[in-house]
Amino acid sequence: KQEVTQIPAALSVPEGENLVLNCSFTDSAIYNLQWFRQDPGKGLTSLLLIQSSQREQTSGRLNASLDKSSGRSTLYIAASQPGDSATYLCAVRRGGSSNTGKLIFGQGTTLQVKP
Amino acid sequence: EAEVAQSPRYKITEKSQAVAFWCDPISGHATLYWYRQILGQGPELLVQFQDESVVDDSQLPKDRFSAERLKGVDSTLKIQPAELGDSAMYLCASSLTLAGDDNEQFFGPGTRLTVL
Repeated sequence: KQEVTQIPAALSVPEGENLVLNCSFTDSAIYNLQWFRQDPGKGLTSLLLIQSSQREQTSGRLNASLDKSSGRSTLYIAASQPGDSATYLCAVRRGGSSNTGKLIFGQGTTLQVKP
Repeated sequence: EAEVAQSPRYKITEKSQAVAFWCDPISGHATLYWYRQILGQGPELLVQFQDESVVDDSQLPKDRFSAERLKGVDSTLKIQPAELGDSAMYLCASSLTLAGDDNEQFFGPGTRLTVL
């Protein structure tokens, strides 16, 4: 059974800091991994999607890496801003015969960036 | 830009009452997903449709929950009777296809359900 864990559960940093959010998964047979952002009481916004054959993806100040063999992904946020304050969710899509498109989510990391 | 629509955005109900949520996926998206997100946790899949057919409803509490997508477009999720533990955010997502690189899921704004 695929399980996804995110550490830490919460993080508070001063504005301008670079930070790393961690995601681990128990079954390396994934199709892809996706990072989402969720603002309080809102839906999910996709940030980055990494295919299983890729090592990293970048979008602006965000960089996501994937090490499938060790079951780990990191989301790096450079020069954090108060507007980055949100919950960040990691989700994996299973590969092979289990690939029905279903996403399995971690519990999220709630980030607060203080001005 | 095309978006997934959901209504209502908020719903407050008393336990034992019936509630229904509606989702309209992005036009042309064949696959539709309903997820439930309990406060402080990640979303969990309740049911997945490919066109009008159910692909996965293994985590749907079928004694009280039902879902349909009669014409393969919009979808309704119903709870009857609602219980206190059903309080959560209900998220709808859609994707162009079931598998392959066109499977990226796009999420709606969600319906926040509170059961009193």
